[in-house]
Amino acid sequence: DAKTTQPNSMESNEEEPVHLPCNHSTISGTDYIHWYRQLPSQGPEYVIHGLTSNVNNRMASLAIAEDRKSSTLILHRATLRDAAVYYCILRDVDNTGKLIFGQGTTLQVKP
Amino acid sequence: KAGVTQTPRYLIKTRGQQVTLSCSPISGHRSVSWYQQTPGQGLQFLFEYFSETQRNKGNFPGRFSGRQFSNSRSEMNVSTLELGDSALYLCASSLARRLAGGDSYNEQFFGPGTRLTVL
Repeated sequence: DAKTTQPNSMESNEEEPVHLPCNHSTISGTDYIHWYRQLPSQGPEYVIHGLTSNVNNRMASLAIAEDRKSSTLILHRATLRDAAVYYCILRDVDNTGKLIFGQGTTLQVKP
Repeated sequence: KAGVTQTPRYLIKTRGQQVTLSCSPISGHRSVSWYQQTPGQGLQFLFEYFSETQRNKGNFPGRFSGRQFSNSRSEMNVSTLELGDSALYLCASSLARRLAGGDSYNEQFFGPGTRLTVL
């Protein structure tokens, strides 16, 4: 499984945008980029995923570099509830149930 | 729609004992995966079951096993417990359905976990 690299921690102020980077230089052509987050004392939850094009949903946006070797999860207006560990995961379309989690980025949101 | 449920939520066992954890997936979901989370190793994939068959397996010893029933409910078993097995065990379910165009609708929905403490 291809590996991802994320900063250990980031800080943000409430109601400001947050850009969480992820490097995946060994990504293969069939790898989808998934983001999950884990709020304190909860199981992880799906945030967003994409293959080549930028993606938007109600939670976040995903910006994917043209060479696909990096991506950025964008939270448009951080809230206190967004404080969590964010995981960037590469998943081959055929590995449907298996997620390989890295260390993730711990996001702190300050009021 | 009810989420993924796991029972029990908390469990205390002693070394050498065995334990069985249960996971009920979201209705209609056919894939169930299990993960172990510890402060030192983070989240690690244990195995995945799909239609009662183990489809993927992580790098864990044979003491860790699982099964899936015809109603998609799953159990995992750990035999001969060791202190290092103390962890949060998470179960996740997904539709595991392939969409046209190659993408697969397989968002994982996680349960709250079972906290296992081995003394």
